[in-house]
Amino acid sequence: GQNIDQPTEMTATEGAIVQINCTYQTSGFNGLFWYQQHAGEAPTFLSYNVLDGLEEKGRFSSFLSRSKGYSYLLLKELQMKDSASYLCAVRDGDYKLSFGAGTTVTVRA
Amino acid sequence: IAGITQAPTSQILAAGRRMTLRCTQDMRHNAMYWYRQDLGLGLRLIHYSNTAGTTGKGEVPDGYSVSRANTDDFPLTLASAVPSQTSVYFCASSRDSRGEQFFGPGTRLTVL
Repeated sequence: GQNIDQPTEMTATEGAIVQINCTYQTSGFNGLFWYQQHAGEAPTFLSYNVLDGLEEKGRFSSFLSRSKGYSYLLLKELQMKDSASYLCAVRDGDYKLSFGAGTTVTVRA
Repeated sequence: IAGITQAPTSQILAAGRRMTLRCTQDMRHNAMYWYRQDLGLGLRLIHYSNTAGTTGKGEVPDGYSVSRANTDDFPLTLASAVPSQTSVYFCASSRDSRGEQFFGPGTRLTVL
């Protein structure tokens, strides 16, 4: 099974940077995903890491350390529209996704 | 249809009633999934199907059944609904079991 931990809430100012951490324990590992979910909407894919290191995609970056069971999602140049929940999900040896409870990010003007 | 759709959008159901949530995708994805999302618990996998004709149990399968008669459709049935099944249900699909998952808009179900 999976045990995935991420902070419940974070608040940041427009234009700033926020880092959302995710730690996990898994019986098998086949990649880590980050999804964004606005209130009342479906989750949408943000990033995927399967090897150690940093993946950059525009204002969003995601980092993975498999030996530490650790990932973070970095959101730069925050905009009001970035206010949402961010879900960390780990894919196990059977290719099933397990999700963390999500981190709600509030961006203030 | 573009992507993945779910019906109904929302439903209020009396306990003990049977209910089928519908999910259809037009992306010709082989794998499909059903999740429930509850406050503080995140998304939990109910059932999945890696290809038409096959299904498997996820983390919380009790009280739910699925079928996968063709590639496009993956209905979820609650045989006899109970209040603890009140939740938001998301259907998802991926090219195969290794691919990125795309989510439908969700069904908000309330069981009274």
